[in-house]
Amino acid sequence: NAGVMQNPRHLVRRRGQEARLRCSPMKGHSHVYWYRQLPEEGLKFMVYLQKENIIDESGMPKERFSAEFPKEGPSILRIQQVVRGDSAAYFCASSPGQGLQPQHFGDGTRLSIL
Amino acid sequence: GESVGLHLPTLSVQEGDNSIINCAYSNSASDYFIWYKQESGKGPQFIIDIRSNMDKRQGQRVTVLLNKTVKHLSLQIAATQPGDSAVYFCAVGLGGYQKVTFGTGTKLQVIP
Repeated sequence: NAGVMQNPRHLVRRRGQEARLRCSPMKGHSHVYWYRQLPEEGLKFMVYLQKENIIDESGMPKERFSAEFPKEGPSILRIQQVVRGDSAAYFCASSPGQGLQPQHFGDGTRLSIL
Repeated sequence: GESVGLHLPTLSVQEGDNSIINCAYSNSASDYFIWYKQESGKGPQFIIDIRSNMDKRQGQRVTVLLNKTVKHLSLQIAATQPGDSAVYFCAVGLGGYQKVTFGTGTKLQVIP
């Protein structure tokens, strides 16, 4: 499968637990983006990463949220001590990173907080 | 910063008719524009893009028009089909930087 792969597709956590969302970019893509989407709303930018570097994290909450894109393996969005308000769909996108190229999205992880 | 808005939250179109979805943006320096389609339970799917040095671009059954004077972007879908029912987002980029800003979306409903 050559597309952006996200897992898990659905994740249920209790308040206070940790959520780890994974994203494998398209083959040949070195840039990864994470977005958050609430029902009936648009996508809100969270963070933009290249391999081993965070380029722009202006959309990330200051606390509890972190992201990484290691040299090997998928990008990880980590949410610590989850709260009800973290319930949302989290989408990952990737791009080649050269020039003006569209981002290609995965099908998201739907996070539900009990 | 950049704010992106859609003129209509919901658009109902008869099957076979043409659809026009509009998008306004605020930053006149924006130079890259993309339309995405999002079906229920799925991620946004790239439809078509256009750069600021163009004012029109055509794909298969879709056309994007860019009016930089009034900072307006539109997506035209010819001969709309039931499979076109989805939420459509415009996204706007600036200066070659890979980050884009998404609009709130227009829900297209195709009436059989």
